[in-house]
Amino acid sequence: AQSVSQHNHHVILSEAASLELGCNYSYGGTVNLFWYVQYPGQHLQLLLKYFSGDPLVKGIKGFEAEFIKSKFSFNLRKPSVQWSDTAEYFCAVNPPGGGNKLTFGTGTQLKVEL
Amino acid sequence: DARVTQTPRHKVTEMGQEVTMRCQPILGHNTVFWYRQTMMQGLELLAYFRNRAPLDDSGMPKDRFSAEMPDATLATLKIQPSEPRDSAVYFCASGSDGDGVGDYGYTFGSGTRLTVV
Repeated sequence: AQSVSQHNHHVILSEAASLELGCNYSYGGTVNLFWYVQYPGQHLQLLLKYFSGDPLVKGIKGFEAEFIKSKFSFNLRKPSVQWSDTAEYFCAVNPPGGGNKLTFGTGTQLKVEL
Repeated sequence: DARVTQTPRHKVTEMGQEVTMRCQPILGHNTVFWYRQTMMQGLELLAYFRNRAPLDDSGMPKDRFSAEMPDATLATLKIQPSEPRDSAVYFCASGSDGDGVGDYGYTFGSGTRLTVV
């Protein structure tokens, strides 16, 4: 079945460490890609999105993601994490012919320790 | 900031009772989604409306769940009868796909945390 995979379910980092969260999808054709963040007890918020153009996308709060079409990947990165980045991160794909529908990955729980 | 408003924020109900969750999408948005979030299943799409018409409700258990948009400012998700396994956080989201090119990515509400005992 076509899907979105986030292989890291739990990540623990120290403040100032670099972050990379993996996201792979299995849809062919043109896709739109997103990363959402969910802080504890809150709703999902859009971090960044990729539709076309420069495959390196910059989002809010210092996050960026790189679309690598040949690898079907859209990994999220941040050079130096902060304690306030502790949250759950969801990759999502708008597949071809999916209208506005998004399919979400299972999420990666990030904990940043002081 | 424009926001998606969901009510109630929390709901505790007994098994067998009817539950209605409401969502007010952002004014001007023409697509509305209902998602259910659980620890085990993550985020599951339950229903998807465009211009108030249901486009996809394949993720919704039809025997007990129903979703409607009586008007452009209100979407409802109803469970009747509710069961303990329905306990989850239910999120509504709205977006705009304009002329079809679209903005995609949408705005989530704060969710309704449902507990069925």
